[in-house]
Parts: sequence; C-alpha cells; structure tokens
Amino acid sequence: DSGVTQTPKHLITATGQRVTLRCSPRSGDLSVYWYQQSLDQGLQFLIQYYNGEERAKGNILERFSAQQFPDLHSELNLSSLELGDSALYFCASTLRAGELFFGEGSRLTVL
Amino acid sequence: GESVGLHLPTLSVQEGDNSIINCAYSNSASDYFIWYKQESGKGPQFIIDIRSNMDKRQGQRVTVLLNKTVKHLSLQIAATQPGDSAVYFCAEIPVDSSYKLIFGSGTRLLVRP
Repeated sequence: DSGVTQTPKHLITATGQRVTLRCSPRSGDLSVYWYQQSLDQGLQFLIQYYNGEERAKGNILERFSAQQFPDLHSELNLSSLELGDSALYFCASTLRAGELFFGEGSRLTVL
Repeated sequence: GESVGLHLPTLSVQEGDNSIINCAYSNSASDYFIWYKQESGKGPQFIIDIRSNMDKRQGQRVTVLLNKTVKHLSLQIAATQPGDSAVYFCAEIPVDSSYKLIFGSGTRLLVRP
C-alpha cells in the first residue's frame, strides 16, 4: 500500500460527459502528480502541484483541468470526454522529486 | 488485477538468471534518473535512482548503470525471481524542469519458472 488513495477505481461514462477523479496523497506529501496511461502512450505526465500551486504542466488537454486543495487532496476534471480519453489515470505524491508514490489508478472507460 | 495491456518489448528470463533491462533517454540535460516497476493492476513503484554525476548505483539485488555518453540507462536484476515479473520503466527529470518526471516506454519482464 503506497498510502495514496484514488477514487473511483473504475468509471464508465459516455462521450461528451464530464468526470472528476480524486486523489488523496500520502500523509505529509505536498506534491501531487497526475499521469495518464493508455495502451499506446505509456505513462504520460499531465500536471503537478506543490502545496496547492501548479508547478509543471505536461501534454494536458484543454478539456482537462486539475487542482490541489488546502487539505492537499487533488482532483482531475475531464470534460467533453472522447473515446480516446479511455485510460488509466494515476495520481502520485512525494516529498522529494523522483521518488513518487503512486495510487492504484482510476480506470476510465468512455463509451 | 487488471493488466495494462501495453504493447511493449518483452524480456523473458529463466528464474535465477540475471536480467538486464535497457533504456535510452532523450534529454542530455537530464540529471536524475529513476527506475520504476509496475505490476499488473497496480501503480508504478520506485526501485532505484541515480544522479548524473554517478555511473553506477547498487541496491538490494538491483544495479543501475548510467552511460551519459550514449544516453543509456540499464537496470540489472540479480537472481531474477517470479515476483520480478512486471513492466519496468525508466524515468528522467530534466534539469530545466525539476518538477517533471518523464517516463520512458517500458519493458515487460517475464520470469519463466
């Protein structure tokens, strides 16, 4: 158990819909990362927050947004969903860069 | 658990043999490299890291080698065990963006009993 909690574990929705994925980091970790893992793209870095502030952005679509709240939990919002958004979405937290602790992921299926 | 189902290069080794997993990284300015292991249905797990001012680092049954000249990273696993079966990713932190951790494409390791 990494100590990082992600909900929901599985989510099935339709194209055009909007979903929110939630992440609770390890106790004491200030940094939260979001990654997307799909069949042909491996682990793609989306965005990173540190103590509530966005610090780095990857190839995150404009339809996607995220935030980190004062209690350090984070949410990833995916809107106007397309079939290609079906993937595993991982959250990770850390105290130091590099040694990330990953949750078990949220599997999103868009039909 | 669920399989990620990635279309990855696969390394098949006999239990007890040593495994070598290779990774070519892209950014010559990266100064920190990490290996992660991802078992089926789970998130990636940190294995070992190495800074660019080193060329070798050893952990428990694992060794990471860094060749900056050819931008190559390798992970050696001694006496490979069935529990080592997983997908292995190398990752790098670019020196110009210390908040990003960029993952490589991964290698699937299968351990034959």
